[in-house]
Amino acid sequence: KNEVEQSPQNLTAQEGEFITINCSYSVGISALHWLQQHPGGGIVSLFMLSSGKKKHGRLIATINIQEKHSSLHITASHPRDSAVYICAVGRSQGNLIFGKGTKLSVKP
Amino acid sequence: SQTIHQWPATLVQPVGSPLSLECTVEGTSNPNLYWYRQAAGRGLQLLFYSVGIGQISSEVPQNLSASRPQDRQFILSSKKLLLSDSGFYLCAWSALGTGTQYFGPGTRLTVL
Repeated sequence: KNEVEQSPQNLTAQEGEFITINCSYSVGISALHWLQQHPGGGIVSLFMLSSGKKKHGRLIATINIQEKHSSLHITASHPRDSAVYICAVGRSQGNLIFGKGTKLSVKP
Repeated sequence: SQTIHQWPATLVQPVGSPLSLECTVEGTSNPNLYWYRQAAGRGLQLLFYSVGIGQISSEVPQNLSASRPQDRQFILSSKKLLLSDSGFYLCAWSALGTGTQYFGPGTRLTVL
């Protein structure tokens, strides 16, 4: 079993829909990261959180430490949100363990 | 502001040939540095990380090695590439004491 599990693996949505991507982990973490990987491969860090909830524009990330679960929400989705979203957990040594990613495609 | 550079952007190499990928960071000092690989159809995997010059920790035993000859320079090398070394290689840095990692643009390596 992978230490970081994401669901769904693939997600297709219509423009304007509310999107949720889930991440569960089984190891102790210092923080949880949500990353966005564009088709060309470049990766951008979206959020780093260790408790509660963070919001940036149309993106919201939540984490439940007791349940070892995090969600990434996108409100009013847009085709430019199409990308692979990766959940990663930070260990005390500073390294990250990654989920396999969720490929999101938003259709106009 | 801080920037991270990787080169080359793409590379096609024959099996058995050597490899050298370079990563440099500008605008910060004493960064933690990381090499990751993303193989086709798989998630990112940490290969090496470094907390200082000459200090390298390896996460996965393989035919790759890393070196940090200068504070803001991180090099990934191989003496003889294998087909399984094909993938997308990402360098990242984080500031000492923080968790957010900033990724370079990546190098897409194809071993034929």
